[in-house]
Amino acid sequence: DTGVSQDPRHKITKRGQNVTFRCDPISEHNRLYWYRQTLGQGPEFLTYFQNEAQLEKSRLLSDRFSAERPKGSFSTLEIQRTEQGDSAMYLCASSPATSGRALGHEQYFGPGTRLTVT
Amino acid sequence: AQSVAQPEDQVNVAEGNPLTVKCTYSVSGNPYLFWYVQYPNRGLQFLLKYITGDNLVKGSYGFEAEFNKSQTSFHLKKPSALVSDSALYFCAVRGFQKLVFGTGTRLLVSP
Repeated sequence: DTGVSQDPRHKITKRGQNVTFRCDPISEHNRLYWYRQTLGQGPEFLTYFQNEAQLEKSRLLSDRFSAERPKGSFSTLEIQRTEQGDSAMYLCASSPATSGRALGHEQYFGPGTRLTVT
Repeated sequence: AQSVAQPEDQVNVAEGNPLTVKCTYSVSGNPYLFWYVQYPNRGLQFLLKYITGDNLVKGSYGFEAEFNKSQTSFHLKKPSALVSDSALYFCAVRGFQKLVFGTGTRLLVSP
């Protein structure tokens, strides 16, 4: 399977603990996105990378959240001092970037990591 | 800011009947519109997109969508629904580099 993969699929943690999620995009895609989806809502944008550069961050991404993509391949999303409000599905997506046509490319999503903070 | 609205939380249709899932958009400039489907505990699967050109866009699994600029709509359609089409459907618009999603419409197809 050459799609977007995410690990773990499920994570249960206690409030105040740190968690880290991993995303492996489709290999030839140089754009990588993180979204958060809560129950009954559509996904909300968190941040995106072009290669290893983090180019945009949402206001949803508080200072407890940090994302990296050190070699322009896989990415990690860390949440420090988790709160119950962080419980959500965290989705990763990737897309190619072709000069002049990047806006038209669809994003391919991984299966998500479901976080439950108790 | 770019946005989409999905006015129906749920759509019910009998198998074999045509289905429509509604979406309206608000953008500045040319719209780049997408439909995704989500099955339980799964990520989103791309169905189709409108970038430019023909107003009727064909996508995966027999779905199509009609772009209407005057009504700022991008409704998802299928001529004959299947029980296996039951899922959560999201309309999205390209907002600079990210996708901006609607709240989703649950489609229930009864046998």
